[in-house]
Amino acid sequence: KQEVTQIPAALSVPEGENLVLNCSFTDSAIYNLQWFRQDPGKGLTSLLLIQSSQREQTSGRLNASLDKSSGRSTLYIAASQPGDSATYLCAAPPGGSEKLVFGKGTKLTVNP
Amino acid sequence: GAVVSQHPSWVICKSGTSVKIECRSLDFQATTMFWYRQFPKQSLMLMATSNEGSKATYEQGVEKDKFLINHASLTLSTLTVTSAHPEDSSFYICSATQRQGRNSPLHFGNGTRLTVT
Repeated sequence: KQEVTQIPAALSVPEGENLVLNCSFTDSAIYNLQWFRQDPGKGLTSLLLIQSSQREQTSGRLNASLDKSSGRSTLYIAASQPGDSATYLCAAPPGGSEKLVFGKGTKLTVNP
Repeated sequence: GAVVSQHPSWVICKSGTSVKIECRSLDFQATTMFWYRQFPKQSLMLMATSNEGSKATYEQGVEKDKFLINHASLTLSTLTVTSAHPEDSSFYICSATQRQGRNSPLHFGNGTRLTVT
């Protein structure tokens, strides 16, 4: 059974700071790992998808890494902005499945 | 591109009534749609997977007679909460993928906030 844990649950930083969000998963036989953003009362926006054969993916100020052997992924946000304030969710499927198991998310607040 | 529209965005209903939530893929054909529910400060929990033209596959613990899912076309899936009760109050989110495959990206709707009084 796949379990996904995100640390910290909440994070507050001043604008401009670089930050790292952590995600760990118990079943390392995954096809991929995905990071999403969720604004309050809204659905999810896909940020990055890392395939199991990849070590990292980058999109703009976001960089996600994947270490399957240790069951960890990190989302690095450079030069944070108030508009980055949201809840960030990590999701990974159990081995052999395409269904995503989500973590509880990290609520990020970037203060101007 | 790849927009998923979910309707309504919020609904309040009385206990015992049924509520239908629609999920539409606006600019692509969705071979598979997923339905999730999310309680406050909790993660999304997959309820069921629906494929066009076939019966939905429900996750363990989800009552298929209570949460009716219909995926009648490649652009529309509906979730009907039958005989709703206050404990069904939650945030329901659908997602869709336009192609099969392990690394197919998922596109999410904006969710429906259901409140049962």
